[in-house]
Amino acid sequence: AQSVTQLGSHVSVSEGALVLLRCNYSSSVPPYLFWYVQYPNQGLQLLLKYTSAATLVKGINGFEAEFKKSETSFHLTKPSAHMSDAAEYFCAVSGSGDMRFGAGTRLTVKP
Amino acid sequence: NAGVMQNPRHLVRRRGQEARLRCSPMKGHSHVYWYRQLPEEGLKFMVYLQKENIIDESGMPKERFSAEFPKEGPSILRIQQVVRGDSAAYFCASSPDRALWDEQYFGPGTRLTVT
Repeated sequence: AQSVTQLGSHVSVSEGALVLLRCNYSSSVPPYLFWYVQYPNQGLQLLLKYTSAATLVKGINGFEAEFKKSETSFHLTKPSAHMSDAAEYFCAVSGSGDMRFGAGTRLTVKP
Repeated sequence: NAGVMQNPRHLVRRRGQEARLRCSPMKGHSHVYWYRQLPEEGLKFMVYLQKENIIDESGMPKERFSAEFPKEGPSILRIQQVVRGDSAAYFCASSPDRALWDEQYFGPGTRLTVT
């Protein structure tokens, strides 16, 4: 069985500041990891995914995530936050069965 | 290529009525997943279907909930005798295959309100 834990249900940053959203996974087999973004009243959109090809994964909108096996982490980062980044972000894992999502982190960007 | 379609987008039902939520996967996708999202909570897996088959319903409540994905037509999530606790956003996702590295493509969701 696999699961993910997102640390921090709410994160607030200033525009232009670094964005760091934390995700730790648990999986009995090598995992495949995903970050999705959800804007208000919309479905989820894929930001990026890790499929074991490279530990540093670049996604859309300037986001990237690094897979660290030793820390069982897959944190999402963006060097400079933009107002349009305000949304809910979900980490997900797929390893031995279906995809499982974290509880989400709501990102607020202050002007 | 149209994305995943869900309808209706908003659904209001009184307690005891039935709710039917529809999902048309992306063209070429034969795998459908249903999730429920409660306020301030993440996505909870409900059921995974392929055409005419329920593959995994481990996340479905034992009573009142059912799902199907017929040979023709959309996938249907059916909730009988709705209660206030069923109020949530229900999302459908599809994928072309069930490869573990395949991302799922999500629809816009159906927001169910039970009054």
